[in-house]
Amino acid sequence: SAVISQKPSRDICQRGTSLTIQCQVDSQVTMMFWYRQQPGQSLTLIATANQGSEATYESGFVIDKFPISRPNLTFSTLTVSNMSPEDSSIYLCSVGHRGGSEQFFGPGTRLTVL
Amino acid sequence: DQQVKQNSPSLSVQEGRISILNCDYTNSMFDYFLWYKKYPAEGPTFLISISSIKDKNEDGRFTVFLNKSAKHLSLHIVPSQPGDSAVYFCAASSSRGGADGLTFGKGTHLIIQP
Repeated sequence: SAVISQKPSRDICQRGTSLTIQCQVDSQVTMMFWYRQQPGQSLTLIATANQGSEATYESGFVIDKFPISRPNLTFSTLTVSNMSPEDSSIYLCSVGHRGGSEQFFGPGTRLTVL
Repeated sequence: DQQVKQNSPSLSVQEGRISILNCDYTNSMFDYFLWYKKYPAEGPTFLISISSIKDKNEDGRFTVFLNKSAKHLSLHIVPSQPGDSAVYFCAASSSRGGADGLTFGKGTHLIIQP
């Protein structure tokens, strides 16, 4: 399995500001995903981060609010823009391989918006 | 509209006994299912998966059963150990789990009593 790190591990932010979360993998992976877990809820897929092209967003998530970059096969960023208290969640990146059976998760970034 | 449902928010089991966690799904397009274990302040850890062409998959103390006609799967842990105390998430995909975003249930908090 891949070793996945996320930065920051947690942050407290003011409403109206933006935060960029980094996800680094110790090996090349074909697939990278971003999820959100709101308090008391399940994990929800935000988008698939595509290397060298625009991310593929799920229904209810838009690029202006959650811009994503993936410059190479080991790194991706998720920005939470113009934050409100409703954005307070744990944000997780995950990785997998096309044709692979498993998906592995990073430790998550706990975001609190005041 | 929740496509993956875990109807038991919590489950308490005595150490050494069998733990059975249940999951139901509604989307007929799902054909790959995964179970994850999550400790507080950590990302989900992959446990075991099953393809819809099988009805059982076993890995050590963990066995997953799939009843496709009932759209139901279950995770059996035998024997249960104190380190098994965690939140367990059921997840589903319409392709191999590593290549596609996952749809998660809300989780079941398993408590192993000494």
